[in-house]
Amino acid sequence: DTAVSQTPKYLVTQMGNDKSIKCEQNLGHDTMYWYKQDSKKFLKIMFSYNNKELIINETVPNRFSPKSPDKAHLNLHINSLELGDSAVYFCASSQQGQGGNTIYFGEGSWLTVV
Amino acid sequence: GQSLEQPSEVTAVEGAIVQINCTYQTSGFYGLSWYQQHDGGAPTFLSYNALDGLEETGRFSSFLSRSDSYGYLLLQELQMKDSASYFCAVRGTDSWGKLQFGAGTQVVVTP
Repeated sequence: DTAVSQTPKYLVTQMGNDKSIKCEQNLGHDTMYWYKQDSKKFLKIMFSYNNKELIINETVPNRFSPKSPDKAHLNLHINSLELGDSAVYFCASSQQGQGGNTIYFGEGSWLTVV
Repeated sequence: GQSLEQPSEVTAVEGAIVQINCTYQTSGFYGLSWYQQHDGGAPTFLSYNALDGLEETGRFSSFLSRSDSYGYLLLQELQMKDSASYFCAVRGTDSWGKLQFGAGTQVVVTP
């Protein structure tokens, strides 16, 4: 059973397009995240939701819009894609609060903007 | 804010011991975590230290000194499969304990 699953795994698209990445977790966790990992492998948090409520919103362009229809799902929609958006996007989840010392990551979605 | 420093790369031979240091600066601190990531894979949790001292899990151990804002991950009896990136991460005391990652240390294990 995949704990945190995200789709698609690979995505190649042209500049200016709009794309979405979907994420689901079956761990029963309250908190979900989106992380971006650039070519230098730096992992940076973008957003976090707790029970469908946005709790962390780092300095991310407005072109990125997360949506959490329920606590098991957190999707990421990106408008007007730019070359600099090329990266690996990881969805993750954890228990709420200080019980959430362990973050479980999905396998990543490799986005290439051409 | 938070910042973490760790070496960019470490190379060692099979069977050796490697220590990856991590120093951090943070306005609040709950604990230090370590994650492993193989090329093309997802980061996976290795260990967490909330209190000073050494935590041992098999061949891997993690240490924390809160007074020194310092920790390390010790990899013993290195195996080829240990070749990966290792990230230290700090959980801060902001309202939701946001986890901030270091830049990662690439460990290369040679025969």
